[in-house]
Amino acid sequence: AQKVTQAQTEISVVEKEDVTLDCVYETRDTTYYLFWYKQPPSGELVFLIRRNSFDEQNEISGRYSWNFQKSTSSFNFTITASQVVDSAVYFCALSEAGRDDKIIFGKGTRLHILP
Amino acid sequence: EPEVTQTPSHQVTQMGQEVILRCVPISNHLYFYWYRQILGQKVEFLVSFYNNEISEKSEIFDDQFSVERPDGSNFTLKIRSTKLEDSAMYFCASSDVSGSGNTIYFGEGSWLTVV
Repeated sequence: AQKVTQAQTEISVVEKEDVTLDCVYETRDTTYYLFWYKQPPSGELVFLIRRNSFDEQNEISGRYSWNFQKSTSSFNFTITASQVVDSAVYFCALSEAGRDDKIIFGKGTRLHILP
Repeated sequence: EPEVTQTPSHQVTQMGQEVILRCVPISNHLYFYWYRQILGQKVEFLVSFYNNEISEKSEIFDDQFSVERPDGSNFTLKIRSTKLEDSAMYFCASSDVSGSGNTIYFGEGSWLTVV
């Protein structure tokens, strides 16, 4: 069965520090997709990244980077030089090939960036 | 940038009343979804809709729920007889293709409070 685990319920860091959000997933499929979404205090879900299971290259987008490791079933998200505006709940999610209309979300990690 | 829009942003209703949540998906998208997030919990899949019919639904989506695309632009979620436990944020989402891990874009959510 599919499962996404975000073990960190809540993290607080001081502005400008780097922070890594952990995500571990379970799936029986060999083809699947991983996502990260951001939910700021206003409540909307903001898409950050989608990665397919065949692409293990790490990705960097500005201050955001993602480390996908199939060997450990992890898809961790790092924010470099954090800013107060990064404060939000971050969800890691998974969908299996052929069932892309059903995304399984983790419970989320609430990130507080302290000024 | 095109976006999914939802109305109302917040609705308070009495237990037992019918509620209709409305969504306007991104215009060229063909796949539509509803997800739910109970306060402080993870986002959960409710239903997916394509070609004027439900393609998949979760166990949450019981007989009191229904979806409709009445006029080619709106996509609605109806809850026939609301219960206290239906209080949640309801997210509409859409995507232009499926079967390839395509990005699903979420609306800003409709917060339903049942009293």
